Formats: sequence, structure tokens, C-alpha cells
Amino acid sequence: KAGVTQTPRYLIKTRGQQVTLSCSPISGHRSVSWYQQTPGQGLQFLFEYFSETQRNKGNFPGRFSGRQFSNSRSEMNVSTLELGDSALYLCASSPWTGANYGYTFGSGTRLTVV
Amino acid sequence: DQQVKQNSPSLSVQEGRISILNCDYTNSMFDYFLWYKKYPAEGPTFLISISSIKDKNEDGRFTVFLNKSAKHLSLHIVPSQPGDSAVYFCAANGDNNNDMRFGAGTRLTVKP
Repeated sequence: KAGVTQTPRYLIKTRGQQVTLSCSPISGHRSVSWYQQTPGQGLQFLFEYFSETQRNKGNFPGRFSGRQFSNSRSEMNVSTLELGDSALYLCASSPWTGANYGYTFGSGTRLTVV
Repeated sequence: DQQVKQNSPSLSVQEGRISILNCDYTNSMFDYFLWYKKYPAEGPTFLISISSIKDKNEDGRFTVFLNKSAKHLSLHIVPSQPGDSAVYFCAANGDNNNDMRFGAGTRLTVKP
């Protein structure tokens, strides 16, 4: 079966712009979580969506937002981009809410802010 | 607030020898722990997990040990193979907690 699909794979944006990243989970998976990976910081939790509802949110500013659609696909939006937002953004899907069900990660979107 | 810590950013091991990757956590509410492996340009892939009711879980060459009193877990790879070279992330999750906390990762290099 198809894995977790993230688009686009690479993105270059200018400071102050906004960006939308997309994630299509594994078919049948209802939970989507987003993580930011930067060198030395590991994976920082952004938020989790389950059944179109945000279930949990990490310690990121309000410029980071997301949503989930009825087909479980999710989008993440970052407004007023800053240089420090340059990172690999990873999406993970799970059959149900709660990490104990196991995450499957996508390959990520590499965002570069210049 | 780094609740999961991997203090060794890198580890180099000879092929055939044992690799030991360490992880410490601070939140006593964590009750489920996982190890993920990541190759460049790919997302992390699940490797092995352990529940807090156990102190050891084994899957082939991979064994995870959990010491709850020390809030410490470790991943043992025996024998190590060059294909094991990757970044390994430790992760923890608490009951009724919908997010998983990751460490910063340890880059393992297995030399032929």
C-alpha cells in the first residue's frame, strides 16, 4: 500500500512569505502528526490531527497552523516566514490517535527560507 | 524543554561489534518508548519499542533495555552491520498524550 506522501519535497521561500505543506497519510490512517527537524534539535512536535480536530499542539508560535480534511489529508501552514523556520518538516500518520499505535513517517518537505 | 535526551551526537563502531545507543528522559509519565532509524532524504522508520511494564524487548539483532528508576533506555545492535549506519532517534510517549517526544538523534557509523 502507498506510504505517507508529502508534497512538495523541496521549497525555497523568502522571509515574510507564507507556505503551505501537504501530507497524505496511509489509506485508513486517521491521525496525522507534524514534526520539525533541525540539526541538533531532533524532531520537535508541532501538532496532531485526528478526525479533523487538533488533538495536541507543541510549543510553536501561532504562525504555525494546520488542518485536516475529511479524507484525513492534512496541511500545515507557516505564515510570515523567518530564517529560523528553515528545516525538514515531517508528517507521520497513524491508524488511531496516540503514538502507541505506531507512526509511519513521510520523507519530509525541506523548507529553506532566504 | 528537552524531555528526551540523546547525549551522544555520534557513535562509530566496527562491523561485527556491538553498538549501544543511549537515551535519557525526564518525564516519569512516559510509559512507551520507541527507537526510530533515519537515512538521509528519508523519513524516520520505526525500529523497536518497549512498554514501561517491561525492561527488555528483543527483535533480531536489536534489543532495547529500559531502566525506569534511572529513566534511561538503550538500544543494542549486535552484530553491527554497515547498513545500520544511520541516525537513530529515541522517542517517548505518555498515557493520554497524543504527541511523541524525540531526542536529538545519534548518528551511528558502522565501519567495514
